Amino acid sequence: KAGVTQTPRYLIKTRGQQVTLSCSPISGHRSVSWYQQTPGQGLQFLFEYFSETQRNKGNFPGRFSGRQFSNSRSEMNVSTLELGDSALYLCASSLDRGNEKLFFGSGTQLSVL
Amino acid sequence: DQQVKQNSPSLSVQEGRISILNCDYTNSMFDYFLWYKKYPAEGPTFLISISSIKDKNEDGRFTVFLNKSAKHLSLHIVPSQPGDSAVYFCAASENGGSQGNLIFGKGTKLSVKP
Repeated sequence: KAGVTQTPRYLIKTRGQQVTLSCSPISGHRSVSWYQQTPGQGLQFLFEYFSETQRNKGNFPGRFSGRQFSNSRSEMNVSTLELGDSALYLCASSLDRGNEKLFFGSGTQLSVL
Repeated sequence: DQQVKQNSPSLSVQEGRISILNCDYTNSMFDYFLWYKKYPAEGPTFLISISSIKDKNEDGRFTVFLNKSAKHLSLHIVPSQPGDSAVYFCAASENGGSQGNLIFGKGTKLSVKP
């Protein structure tokens, strides 16, 4: 069974631009979560989607948004990029909500210049 | 304000010895705790978890201990192997452990020397 796939693997953008990251969960998994990893802050929760609905949202500005499609694939979007948005963005999927093991993708490394 | 703290950014251990990674939390509503391991250029992988109704959970070489009164948990790796060298993240959740909203510590980089 294929793991969680995130595309692209690397991305370079400039301040003010917007970016869309993509995540394909493990087949059959219905819950997708997004995390931001930076050296100073560790992994921080962005949002969780289940059945195409955002179920939880972390403490990030409105420039960060996401969505989930009917096939459970998910995208996250960051608008008006800032230098501080440079980070590794990790997507994780699980079979369902609740005490389900999270499976992480390898992430998208975003650099904002 | 960090709710999950891993106060040791790094730990170095000799192969064959015990590795003990520590984690403290402040939110008394947390009722499910997990450890993830992360190698460079890869996403974190689940290692072991523990519910707040238990104080110990074992899986092979890995044991997690939970001390609710102290709001402290630890991961023991015995014996440590060079392949265990990675960054270890402690994570916590509340309300039955919906893992879609985990609060992570900043990680401890473990180096196991041959």
